[in-house]
Amino acid sequence: SAVISQKPSRDICQRGTSLTIQCQVDSQVTMMFWYRQQPGQSLTLIATANQGSEATYESGFVIDKFPISRPNLTFSTLTVSNMSPEDSSIYLCSVYDLAKNIQYFGAGTRLSVL
Amino acid sequence: QQQVKQSPQSLIVQKGGISIINCAYENTAFDYFPWYQQFPGKGPALLIAIRPDVSEKKEGRFTISFNKSAKQFSLHIMDSQPGDSATYFCAAQSQAGTALIFGKGTTLSVSS
Repeated sequence: SAVISQKPSRDICQRGTSLTIQCQVDSQVTMMFWYRQQPGQSLTLIATANQGSEATYESGFVIDKFPISRPNLTFSTLTVSNMSPEDSSIYLCSVYDLAKNIQYFGAGTRLSVL
Repeated sequence: QQQVKQSPQSLIVQKGGISIINCAYENTAFDYFPWYQQFPGKGPALLIAIRPDVSEKKEGRFTISFNKSAKQFSLHIMDSQPGDSATYFCAAQSQAGTALIFGKGTTLSVSS
């Protein structure tokens, strides 16, 4: 199974600042996803980040607010820009193993915005 | 629009009892239905999954029942244990390689 490492694991940030979350995978994967999980809520897809193409954002999420980089097959970053308290959430990196048809998740980044 | 509806939101079961969580979907293009288990502070992990060509799949104490005509599927946890206390998410996928769509989750507490 794919092992996903996310950094930081948690952070407390000030309103108006930006935070970049890193996602490192122990194997090469084409398909990578970023989700948001608000406290006690479900997982909401932010964007799909496939290597070699621009990230595709879901309705309600825009590139200016959540820019994503995918420089290679094992790494991606998600930036939460100009943060407000409403951005307080858990951000999860996920990868898809096409051969096994399994989607794996990192442990998440717990973000609190004051 | 919520594509996968999950119930109940929370569930308390006695040790040794049966836990049942239900999900319903509308999109007939969905062809893969996994269940994920999430412990506090951890990411979701795949528990068991099913495709619409079978009506039931069992792995140990965990069973998925699938009703294609009703567009419903459920997770049954037999002989529930305190270690099963977690949040369970049903999900659906319409095409291999696309992101999973998740239900809202069920928080299960198994009392000893």
